[in-house]
Amino acid sequence: QKEVEQDPGPLSVPEGAIVSLNCTYSNSAFQYFMWYRQYSRKGPELLMYTYSSGNKEDGRFTAQVDKSSKYISLFIRDSQPSDSATYLCAMSASGGSYIPTFGRGTSLIVHP
Amino acid sequence: DSGVTQTPKHLITATGQRVTLRCSPRSGDLSVYWYQQSLDQGLQFLIQYYNGEERAKGNILERFSAQQFPDLHSELNLSSLELGDSALYFCASSVGTSGTYTQYFGPGTRLTVL
Repeated sequence: QKEVEQDPGPLSVPEGAIVSLNCTYSNSAFQYFMWYRQYSRKGPELLMYTYSSGNKEDGRFTAQVDKSSKYISLFIRDSQPSDSATYLCAMSASGGSYIPTFGRGTSLIVHP
Repeated sequence: DSGVTQTPKHLITATGQRVTLRCSPRSGDLSVYWYQQSLDQGLQFLIQYYNGEERAKGNILERFSAQQFPDLHSELNLSSLELGDSALYFCASSVGTSGTYTQYFGPGTRLTVL
């Protein structure tokens, strides 16, 4: 079993839909949780990060962490075609170099 | 634009060959990280350098090596290349030693081994 599991998709939704992207993990030491967006032929860019449990909102994006279930989510409201990309979750433990472990990414397609 | 530059953008080579990938971090960043991204394995951490010193090591093969120079640019050397080494190679940089939410990724080098 991989430390971080993420459904690769693709997930196809109409413009304006609410999108839910999820990851599960097995390492209970993870404390930092990140979401990256990666457009085709580009490097990942950090969207949001959360420390420990709880919710964090930034514009149309909401990140949720449920440590008891080892489950994290990213919600995108009012999705736009420009949101079409691959979304990678990443997480790291405290201590050391905090190198994140990445999920394989979910491909999202928002069609007009 | 993240401020991290990588060259070359594309590299096509043959099995058994050796290549060097180059990365220049963002101005002021002291840490450089190398990642390999393939369809079946996702984004895998290879190695981190901080101010010229190796800081952390991930799933880096013995055929691969890296270094960070005094001007803080870094090079990833891949030797005795195999078909399975075909992948995207990303460099990321951060100010300090922590690799958590502070990394900025470059555009990547696409390596194709024929």
